[in-house]
Amino acid sequence: DAKTTQPPSMDCAEGRAANLPCNHSTISGNEYVYWYRQIHSQGPQYIIHGLKNNETNEMASLIITEDRKSSTLILPHATLRDTAVYYCIVRSHETYGNKLVFGAGTILRVKS
Amino acid sequence: GAGVSQSPSNKVTEKGKDVELRCDPISGHTALYWYRQRLGQGLEFLIYFQGNSAPDKSGLPSDRFSAERTGESVSTLTIQRTQQEDSAVYLCASSLFRGEQGYTFGSGTRLTVV
Repeated sequence: DAKTTQPPSMDCAEGRAANLPCNHSTISGNEYVYWYRQIHSQGPQYIIHGLKNNETNEMASLIITEDRKSSTLILPHATLRDTAVYYCIVRSHETYGNKLVFGAGTILRVKS
Repeated sequence: GAGVSQSPSNKVTEKGKDVELRCDPISGHTALYWYRQRLGQGLEFLIYFQGNSAPDKSGLPSDRFSAERTGESVSTLTIQRTQQEDSAVYLCASSLFRGEQGYTFGSGTRLTVV
């Protein structure tokens, strides 16, 4: 799987949009971009994923650049409960034994 | 059930004892992972089951660790002769097929070895 690079931490004001970047410059054509988050003392939670088109669901939006070398997770109106570690993972669907591997992620602190 | 269930939620054991941790995946989920997360650290892959295929055990840290899963049902992670460095939260996750729509994680078992 391609490696990802994320900033170690970010702050965001409550009610504002949180934009979390992820670089994945070695991503392959068949690899998807996945985002998970882990709120303190809980198991990780799937947020969203995409291949090349931008995606939106009830939790967030995912913007993937045209060259697919980077992406941004957007939480449109961050709340204090969005404080968590956010993980960007690239992963294909096609290879058996393709482990889901978590990096260090970005600690997002939403402040009032 | 509606989610991934792990038991016990907390376990305190004496050094040298064996422990067994249980994971009940979502019904019908063929893929199942075990991870370990030490305090303040990231998720460390342990083992991956996919249906009836041979599991990927490449993350198990030593031969004291083993895991079983029969078909698409419950999985157990066993740690023999526990050591203090085994203290961590052990997380289980399951998904349909290869997790194309994301994995669902349990709340974990917090293991403390004293």
